[in-house]
Amino acid sequence: TQLLEQSPQFLSIQEGENLTVYCNSSSVFSSLQWYRQEPGEGPVLLVTVVTGGEVKKLKRLTFQFGDARKDSSLHITAAQPGDTGLYLCAGVRGGKLIFGQGTELSVKP
Amino acid sequence: DSGVTQTPKHLITATGQRVTLRCSPRSGDLSVYWYQQSLDQGLQFLIQYYNGEERAKGNILERFSAQQFPDLHSELNLSSLELGDSALYFCASSVGQAYYNEQFFGPGTRLTVL
Repeated sequence: TQLLEQSPQFLSIQEGENLTVYCNSSSVFSSLQWYRQEPGEGPVLLVTVVTGGEVKKLKRLTFQFGDARKDSSLHITAAQPGDTGLYLCAGVRGGKLIFGQGTELSVKP
Repeated sequence: DSGVTQTPKHLITATGQRVTLRCSPRSGDLSVYWYQQSLDQGLQFLIQYYNGEERAKGNILERFSAQQFPDLHSELNLSSLELGDSALYFCASSVGQAYYNEQFFGPGTRLTVL
């Protein structure tokens, strides 16, 4: 059983569509991070959310931390082919980063 | 380019063998982390070193060991390899030892055990 459950696991959409990826847990996290990983590369940190209810925006990406700090979401507006990749959420547990299984996003032109 | 380098990029070996993966952290970073990424387990934390000392341990098998040298580069040693050890191995580095320090990931080493 994963401590952090991401959904959906796979998402294939057309350019211009909106999408939301979810990261859920039954445990409280002091912070949650979102990473993007492209084929052949390591994950790259996109954002860290710390406060319950916090919303952060990064251009067309909107990240939200749940009020109870157990879940988070990533919303992409008007997706572009360049958004294609593996999106990972991660939380800290016992001083270590615990990762979700990831959401594989494919945006077709 | 994250500034973290890993060698080799690809490694193909046989069951029962031993391999060493190498990582050079970003200039100025004192912490090095090792992760394993496989299709079934996802990205899993293995071990962290800070300035040469082991700081945290994750799901690292006893057949695996790591060390960080005085010049801060790190090596991950995998022995008695099994088919299930085939995975991507990532190294990450950060300036400090605390979890809230941003980690920068290298490009990974793809290990294939035949």
